[in-house]
Amino acid sequence: EVQLVESGGGLVQPGRSLRLSCAASGFTFGDYAMSWVRQAPGKGLEWVGFIRSKLHGGTTEYAASVKVRFTISRDDSKNIAYLQMNSLKTEDTAVYYCTRGGTYYYPIWGQGTLVTVSS
Amino acid sequence: DIVMTQSPDSLAVSLGERATINCKSSQSVLYSSTNRNYLAWYQQKPGQPPKLLIYWASTRESGVPDRFSGSGSGTDFTLTISSLQAEDVAVYFCQQYYTTLTFGGGTKVEIK
Repeated sequence: EVQLVESGGGLVQPGRSLRLSCAASGFTFGDYAMSWVRQAPGKGLEWVGFIRSKLHGGTTEYAASVKVRFTISRDDSKNIAYLQMNSLKTEDTAVYYCTRGGTYYYPIWGQGTLVTVSS
Repeated sequence: DIVMTQSPDSLAVSLGERATINCKSSQSVLYSSTNRNYLAWYQQKPGQPPKLLIYWASTRESGVPDRFSGSGSGTDFTLTISSLQAEDVAVYFCQQYYTTLTFGGGTKVEIK
């Protein structure tokens, strides 16, 4: 069964950092780009960014709202994608979803992990 | 970025009746070289992640009931639920992947 499981969310103060993980199983992780999408409480969906597969250079793309502050990486030996979030702001409060894929539609989503940025 | 505007924000439909959700993009998402519309639809139920229903504007994802259909081209798209079932109560989002991915604001579907 194809599965994505996010972890690492929690309560963090503004200006601090947090790293989310996305553990993948049921497919050849290294063959796919991996993305992050977030959803603020009661709001819509916002694409955060993605990382290409190593075959396609392993490069990253980010939304303007998080560029410079957020970094996506991957460890294909562990089948894990990461989202490093620095200089967090209250407006970064959201459920963060990991998805399989990069620049197209997303057939596979994790259950999400909640990040709350508050003092 | 392409702005996706959905309408209505919410709608209430009787069981067995048709539900129609609209999505308009600020620029065309039809890629001429492939003649494909880079548009997807998702369903999200409370406490769950979004579920892909439709991609390429009208291709139904495997396992999605055929009462769900997508249509439209260029800048105007529609998701239709032909006969609303109780389990279809959810928020529906459109998404374009023509350029940097963006989503519509969502349409909440309820039972009348």
